[in-house]
Amino acid sequence: KQEVTQIPAALSVPEGENLVLNCSFTDSAIYNLQWFRQDPGKGLTSLLLIQSSQREQTSGRLNASLDKSSGRSTLYIAASQPGDSATYLCAVTRAAGNKLTFGGGTRVLVKP
Amino acid sequence: GAVVSQHPSRVICKSGTSVKIECRSLDFQATTMFWYRQFPKQSLMLMATSNEGSKATYEQGVEKDKFLINHASLTLSTLTVTSAHPEDSSFYICSAIAGGPAEQFFGPGTRLTVL
Repeated sequence: KQEVTQIPAALSVPEGENLVLNCSFTDSAIYNLQWFRQDPGKGLTSLLLIQSSQREQTSGRLNASLDKSSGRSTLYIAASQPGDSATYLCAVTRAAGNKLTFGGGTRVLVKP
Repeated sequence: GAVVSQHPSRVICKSGTSVKIECRSLDFQATTMFWYRQFPKQSLMLMATSNEGSKATYEQGVEKDKFLINHASLTLSTLTVTSAHPEDSSFYICSAIAGGPAEQFFGPGTRLTVL
């Protein structure tokens, strides 16, 4: 059974610092990995999708890496801003089917 | 990007009533939709997978007679919480994909409160 873990569970940084969020998964047989952002009481916004054959994806200040063999992904957010405060979730799609298995999330607070 | 909507965004009901939540893909045809529930400060738990024109596949521990799912068209799936009780109070979120192991797009969620 796939298990996804996100460390740390919560993170507080001053504005301008780079953010590093970690995600690990136990079964390396994945199709893809997605990073999401969730604001309080809201749905999920997809940030980045990394296919299993890829090693990283970039969008603006966001960069996500994937090391499938070691079961790890890292989301980097450069030059953090207060608007980046949210919960960040990673999720993997199993090799069979399209079900997403989510990590517990990392709650990020960027202080002005 | 693809847009998924949910209606209603918030619902308060009395114990014993049934509540229907709609999930729509607005600018694409969703071959598969998923229903999740999320408790406060917890991650999302998959409840069921819904394919257009066929019966939903429920995750272990989810009562299919309690949570009725209908995927009547390629743009609409509904979740009906039957005879709702306070323990059913939660945040329900749907997602949709266009086909294959592709990116999932999520709706804004529905906050259900059962009194």
